[in-house]
Amino acid sequence: DTEVTQTPKHLVMGMTNKKSLKCEQHMGHRAMYWYKQKAKKPPELMFVYSYEKLSINESVPSRFSPECPNSSLLNLHLHALQPEDSALYLCASSRGRSSYNEQFFGPGTRLTVL
Amino acid sequence: GIQVEQSPPDLILQEGANSTLRCNFSDSVNNLQWFHQNPWGQLINLFYIPSGTKQNGRLSATTVATERYSLLYISSSQTTDSGVYFCAVEPYGGSQGNLIFGKGTKLSVKP
Repeated sequence: DTEVTQTPKHLVMGMTNKKSLKCEQHMGHRAMYWYKQKAKKPPELMFVYSYEKLSINESVPSRFSPECPNSSLLNLHLHALQPEDSALYLCASSRGRSSYNEQFFGPGTRLTVL
Repeated sequence: GIQVEQSPPDLILQEGANSTLRCNFSDSVNNLQWFHQNPWGQLINLFYIPSGTKQNGRLSATTVATERYSLLYISSSQTTDSGVYFCAVEPYGGSQGNLIFGKGTKLSVKP
């Protein structure tokens, strides 16, 4: 099973709202990732968790707060977002700490900030 | 940082035609992946190919790591092949898992 699931599929929120995106995998992977993809652009890495510890934070604003409760789950908490944060948010996972580190992506959450 | 360039940026094919997509990268890489992004945004894994040649049905890929390029071949194209094809690399010596994407090739297959 090479499935990564994400909820919700779509999210509309106001600039004062607090919401969370969720990602789950059951492949036994130990690395999980958040990417942001604007329209007609490639995905850009935001965060990497390796063995439940944050290992990469690509200078993402603090209004995005990641959380990795366990090796199967990854959350992205959103607070006080701006309209320019509207994008497709993609979660991925991989084995981690391995020479074979193929990443598998979820279907994404389409976020609209009003 | 590493540069990943894909060509062509746009490609229009008639159903049944063959095509070659190219990915050039400016430095050594640990990993290289090809993805197909469908119209709904799902990134579908095509190949994990840091070097060598692989084939999967009508698709095949070749990476020549020493010359810093990878090619994706699509034969007998179908309308369902439409979408954006991304090449992504993990730079050698960089943070593990830090995939850098090219800008993609947008493929449209006409019936």
